[in-house]
Amino acid sequence: DVKVTQSSRYLVKRTGEKVFLECVQDMDHENMFWYRQDPGLGLRLIYFSYDVKMKEKGDIPEGYSVSREKKERFSLILESASTNQTSMYLCASRNGAGSSGNTIYFGEGSWLTVV
Amino acid sequence: AQSVTQLGSHVSVSEGALVLLRCNYSSSVPPYLFWYVQYPNQGLQLLLKYTTGATLVKGINGFEAEFKKSETSFHLTKPSAHMSDAAEYFCAVSARGAYNQGGKLIFGQGTELSVKP
Repeated sequence: DVKVTQSSRYLVKRTGEKVFLECVQDMDHENMFWYRQDPGLGLRLIYFSYDVKMKEKGDIPEGYSVSREKKERFSLILESASTNQTSMYLCASRNGAGSSGNTIYFGEGSWLTVV
Repeated sequence: AQSVTQLGSHVSVSEGALVLLRCNYSSSVPPYLFWYVQYPNQGLQLLLKYTTGATLVKGINGFEAEFKKSETSFHLTKPSAHMSDAAEYFCAVSARGAYNQGGKLIFGQGTELSVKP
């Protein structure tokens, strides 16, 4: 069965802290994604990765960076957390580089509150 | 450029009634189309998708959707609502192949479905 695991479900961080959100998939997928979900705005793409060490900016990359050193792991980094980054973060993965018709599988989400 | 519009941020139906969630898309190239469902405090789960072939697509939990190219629509329906269908539903579009390196998926704003007993 497909599994995308986000290690932290709920986090509370202080303004200015560096925050790491970790995501692991067990399906040997090439593509991985980080989305942000906010009420009324749907899901917005922050970054995506074609393969190991490959990354592309999504629609809202400002204030975020990513790391993909291993195929199964894709990390989202908030260099200096701000209150406007309080949100639900969803990690996802998909089989097949460039296969945009393939299903994207999502993790359970990480709720981040920045105070 | 692609975009997705879901008409109605909240839809309420009675148990046993027809469910109709509307989705219109904009895409300069033939799209792939998806519906996802999100239950409270969970991630998104694929309901169904259209990639090629038959334009009426059947998914899980009795849902189906029809791709209408002339109307640029991909509305989601279910003949008879159950209480367990209460959730948020997202329509999404992805352009095909070379037009969409990396397969970026664009989501609508979501429609929250309530089911009354």
